[in-house]
This record gives sequence, structure tokens and C-alpha cells, in this order.
Amino acid sequence: EAQVTQNPRYLITVTGKKLTVTCSQNMNHEYMSWYRQDPGLGLRQIYYSMNVEVTDKGDVPEGYKVSRKEKRNFPLILESPSPNQTSLYFCASTDLAGDEQFFGPGTRLTVL
Amino acid sequence: DQQVKQNSPSLSVQEGRISILNCDYTNSMFDYFLWYKKYPAEGPTFLISISSIKDKNEDGRFTVFLNKSAKHLSLHIVPSQPGDSAVYFCAAITLNTDKLIFGTGTRLQVFP
Repeated sequence: EAQVTQNPRYLITVTGKKLTVTCSQNMNHEYMSWYRQDPGLGLRQIYYSMNVEVTDKGDVPEGYKVSRKEKRNFPLILESPSPNQTSLYFCASTDLAGDEQFFGPGTRLTVL
Repeated sequence: DQQVKQNSPSLSVQEGRISILNCDYTNSMFDYFLWYKKYPAEGPTFLISISSIKDKNEDGRFTVFLNKSAKHLSLHIVPSQPGDSAVYFCAAITLNTDKLIFGTGTRLQVFP
């Protein structure tokens, strides 16, 4: 079954404690991206990756890092989380040959 | 079972005319509805949203209408421009589950 998985689904942490949200896809897609969803602001892109070892900033990259060492994985790293990063995060992967986009189930992060 | 449906896979409109993209849903518990635009090889970008307690929201050339009794929403683009040519995704979210559900998309082509 084609899917994008994210872990954890829910996370509560404290300011400054480094965390990583994992994202994995099994469709051999080149393009992967991370979004945050905030009320009234819609889905905003944080980082995206066109392929292995190729990453670029999206609209709201501050406070985040990513890596793309393998095609299937695209972890989102918060080195020093702050309360304004409390949000709902979605990972997505896209087949660049088409327009079908697969989203993960979302990760609800709360930073106290 | 698809909760958010976009039954028209494509739409072709002449520049300057109105584009109407439709979306139907089955879950009456959705709190917000959102429209996203996606260009090839890019992630979706947020366009406009509407709360379930409203029936209209307007932002420039984009207007979203919500008919709760019919479980139907539509995005109107007036006037349509060639740069509007993209795939448009309808999405819905219930705040108590934080689950964002996307429709399959409608490809809009605006020709001169």
C-alpha cells in the first residue's frame, strides 16, 4: 500500500529540547516536503527536497532543519523548539512526473 | 470511502472568464474547508479557507462559497488568468482530530 508515514503522531515537549519528526514514503518519490498547518493560515511549506541530498527552504524555514540522505526518508529536525512552533505538521511526497500528492497523517506538536 | 470529492478532474476556461471549481464532502463535522493550488513539481500553496459557520469568503479574485445543507463548496476565480493554470485541491479539517483530508484535485487550464 502506497503511503507516507510520520512519527510520532503526537508530541508534547519543552522549549529548547531537540526533537526529530520522522517521515518515510514507500513510493520511490523524488519530491518530499514538510508543511505546518495553523488555524487561519492554511498549509505553509517549511522545507522541500527535490531528491537525495537536495533540500531547499520553503516559506517558513526558520527554526527547522531537514536532511535527505535516502530517498524514502525526510526527517524534520527542531534543534531548539520554541512555543511558536506548536503546530500541526504534515509530510508529503510527490511523484514529479504527475500531480498526485500523498500526505502523511500529521504530527501534532506542542512546545511548552 | 472518500470524504472529500472533486468529481471534475479537469476544467478548461478562457482568460477573463470565471472559473468555478467544485468540491463535495460527506462528513458534516468538518470545521474548516481550504483550497490549495499546486503547480507541477511544487508543493501545494494555500489559497483561501472558510469556516463551517460561514457561507462565503472572498479574497481578491478568489471567492469560496459553502453550502452546508448540500455539503458542497466551490471556488470561484474571477477573472481567470493564464497563471491560474494549476491543479486545485479542496481540503477539509475537523479540529478535534486534526486530520486534514484532501480531495483528488481538479486541473484548471486557462487559455488565452
